[in-house]
Amino acid sequence: QSALTQPPSASGSPGQSVTISCTGTSSDVGGYNYVSWYQQHPGKAPKLMIYEVSKRPSGVPDRFSGSKSGNTASLTVSGLQAEDEADYYCSSYAGSNNRYVFGTGTKVTVL
Amino acid sequence: QVQLVQSGAEVKKPGASVKVSCKVSGYTLTELSMHWVRQAPGKGLEWMGGFDPEDGETIYAQKFQGRVTMTEDTSTDTAYMELSSLRSEDTAVYYCATDNWNYLVYWGQGTLVTVSS
Repeated sequence: QSALTQPPSASGSPGQSVTISCTGTSSDVGGYNYVSWYQQHPGKAPKLMIYEVSKRPSGVPDRFSGSKSGNTASLTVSGLQAEDEADYYCSSYAGSNNRYVFGTGTKVTVL
Repeated sequence: QVQLVQSGAEVKKPGASVKVSCKVSGYTLTELSMHWVRQAPGKGLEWMGGFDPEDGETIYAQKFQGRVTMTEDTSTDTAYMELSSLRSEDTAVYYCATDNWNYLVYWGQGTLVTVSS
């Protein structure tokens, strides 16, 4: 099972929006509504930001939103803030023996 | 609120085994489905395996089958991940995380395992 494809980097100025793509196949992203997104600051554990494509856990700002079209999922961060600067990973269910396939990761920089 | 506290950093020689622990508080281990994810230095996340509540068995990523064993001690609410035949490519931070039907909610702080001769 190959990793999902994400752009290595994305950036935006404070207050702007940035969108990160996550491209897979019909066997993972396109086949299930089980896409999740994780934020990871340097030296820290990942944090769940979005689950089941577009749902936000309690405590996650509504500036974070998720969507999916075909084999590509997307995470949008609106109203960028300095603390949003981090690595972001998508993940998708890919079958009973591939519960989590992760993306390659995207480093978001707040300019 | 679930808290996961992992054991400390380890240094191992190639060919050895390592066993990382993950102590649960706030819930009992029987109420949770524990999974393990690793991250090599400067690299992305990689799922290793975890408990599947649908069939009550532990499932392992194909890449690690035969080399990894995930166990639980419900008397102490502690999960374990043991990786054998270590090689330099296994140098990574290993995380335990709770699975909630295809998304990982709570994460441990990570355990750095360094494999070096």
